[in-house]
Amino acid sequence: DVKVTQSSRYLVKRTGEKVFLECVQDMDHENMFWYRQDPGLGLRLIYFSYDVKMKEKGDIPEGYSVSREKKERFSLILESASTNQTSMYLCASKEADNYGYTFGSGTRLTVV
Amino acid sequence: TQLLEQSPQFLSIQEGENLTVYCNSSSVFSSLQWYRQEPGEGPVLLVTVVTGGEVKKLKRLTFQFGDARKDSSLHITAAQTGDTGLYLCAGGGHNFNKFYFGSGTKLNVKP
Repeated sequence: DVKVTQSSRYLVKRTGEKVFLECVQDMDHENMFWYRQDPGLGLRLIYFSYDVKMKEKGDIPEGYSVSREKKERFSLILESASTNQTSMYLCASKEADNYGYTFGSGTRLTVV
Repeated sequence: TQLLEQSPQFLSIQEGENLTVYCNSSSVFSSLQWYRQEPGEGPVLLVTVVTGGEVKKLKRLTFQFGDARKDSSLHITAAQTGDTGLYLCAGGGHNFNKFYFGSGTKLNVKP
């Protein structure tokens, strides 16, 4: 069964901490994405990557960075966590063109 | 402001009833996808529609893409408790790698 695996289901971090969210896919997809999901706002794109070492900003990149050193792994980094980054974070991968996303189960991050 | 507006936001119905949820935009999309998300899980793709006026059926679910490719609907016939979840639409432009999501319709089907 093809999978996108996110390393943590739940995380609690303190304000100002550097936070790493890890995502691994086993489908050899070129494209990987990080979204955050908040009630009433839907899924908002933070960053995406269409190849190793390539990245593009999404709609809300401020306060985040990403790393894609290997095709199967895409990491989201919160440089200095803040309470407004408390959210559900979803990683996804996708083939090119008009195929659907395969999502991970999500990481619920709470920043206190 | 959401690029894609979904309605209703919440829907609670009895098992066996029919329902329709909507996804509307002022923008034209090259394709539109529907996902279902269950609590604690990521969204799962249900269907992709690409042609204006296209209708696709998935068992009791019927998806339609508007003629102008700005809107879509999802109709469920004889809803079951297993249909409970958050239904999300996502529209893609010429860059198929980037889709915009609506905020979803939360459906609760009561036994």
